Amino acid sequence: DTGVSQNPRHKITKRGQNVTFRCDPISEHNRLYWYRQTLGQGPEFLTYFQNEAQLEKSRLLSDRFSAERPKGSFSTLEIQRTEQGDSAMYLCASSSPLGTSGHNEQFFGPGTRLTVL
Amino acid sequence: GEDVEQSLFLSVREGDSSVINCTYTDSSSTYLYWYKQEPGAGLQLLTYIFSNMDMKQDQRLTVLLNKKDKHLSLRIADTQTGDSAIYFCAESIRADDKIIFGKGTRLHILP
Repeated sequence: DTGVSQNPRHKITKRGQNVTFRCDPISEHNRLYWYRQTLGQGPEFLTYFQNEAQLEKSRLLSDRFSAERPKGSFSTLEIQRTEQGDSAMYLCASSSPLGTSGHNEQFFGPGTRLTVL
Repeated sequence: GEDVEQSLFLSVREGDSSVINCTYTDSSSTYLYWYKQEPGAGLQLLTYIFSNMDMKQDQRLTVLLNKKDKHLSLRIADTQTGDSAIYFCAESIRADDKIIFGKGTRLHILP
């Protein structure tokens, strides 16, 4: 399968613990996006990378959240001192460089479901 | 600001047409999207329309865009049980930009 993969698929943690999620984009996709989806809501943008550069961060991304994409391939999203409000599905997406069509689809991974007890 | 609104639920009889409506606020939106999310599955892009278009048709799907009223609709012809899912209206300003999603419309198919 050559789609976007995310690990782990599920994570249960206690409040105050740190958690780290990994996203492996589709090969050669230079853009990588993180979104968060809570129950009954649509996905909300968190941040995105072009290669290894983090180009934009949402105000939703508090200082407890940090994302990296050190080699421009996989990315990690770390949440420090987790709170119950962090419980959500964390989605990763990737897209290839813009081509002549002028639009490149973001392909989404299956997500990591975080439950903070 | 950026906001996308859509009704939360829609029930349709199998074989009928489904019409899901959406409004958005950002007049800078260039791309308008419809995504489908099924339980346990990832988000799937169904179709998108560029802001200078009024309509786009793809097999059973028809997208209508009224840019003046900032209104987008998705029509699914001959709705099947496999169409049961949550449908998200979404928009972005640039082709490779972040996507702003609505809360989703849950489509329920009646036998």
